[in-house]
Amino acid sequence: AQTVTQSQPEMSVQEAETVTLSCTYDTSENNYYLFWYKQPPSRQMILVIRQEAYKQQNATENRFSVNFQKAAKSFSLKISDSQLGDTAMYFCAFMKQNTGNQFYFGTGTSLTVIP
Amino acid sequence: GAGVSQSPSNKVTEKGKDVELRCDPISGHTALYWYRQRLGQGLEFLIYFQGNSAPDKSGLPSDRFSAERTGGSVSTLKIQRTQQEDSAVYLCASSLMGVNTEAFFGQGTRLTVV
Repeated sequence: AQTVTQSQPEMSVQEAETVTLSCTYDTSENNYYLFWYKQPPSRQMILVIRQEAYKQQNATENRFSVNFQKAAKSFSLKISDSQLGDTAMYFCAFMKQNTGNQFYFGTGTSLTVIP
Repeated sequence: GAGVSQSPSNKVTEKGKDVELRCDPISGHTALYWYRQRLGQGLEFLIYFQGNSAPDKSGLPSDRFSAERTGGSVSTLKIQRTQQEDSAVYLCASSLMGVNTEAFFGQGTRLTVV
């Protein structure tokens, strides 16, 4: 079974500062995908960034980057230059490759950006 | 459609009544998922449809819950004899089959059982 763990229920960061959200997962698979989704108060889940497990290079998307440590099964999200609009729930997710795209989600981290 | 559409946006029902929640996935997406999100909680997997394959129902919490997907497109999640513990946001997502894909979510249906 696949499990995704987010050990930080709540975090806060000053505007313009950098924050890192943690995620670990447990799997026996070798090929898979990892995602970070953002859920603002509107409830709409929005993809922030994705990482293919076979790629050693960490994914980046503008102010968002990940630190993917495959051996440690760790997938943290770094948000640089935090903005007020980054305030949201953030969910880490895992998807096995070639198994029909079923996603497994962590319990989420509530991030508040303080002006 | 342009995105995943769910209806109704909000639903208040009396305990013991049956409800139906609807999900219109993005056109052409073969995979469709239902998740439940209780207040302040993460996403709890309910059921997953993939093309013409038998759905993965392993997440349905009880036999009061069922779902179907007609014609490989629209899906309906049915909850019979609702209970207060069923109160939650029910999220639907769809995706293409294949590698390097992502799930696109609807805005959910907030179900309140009173």
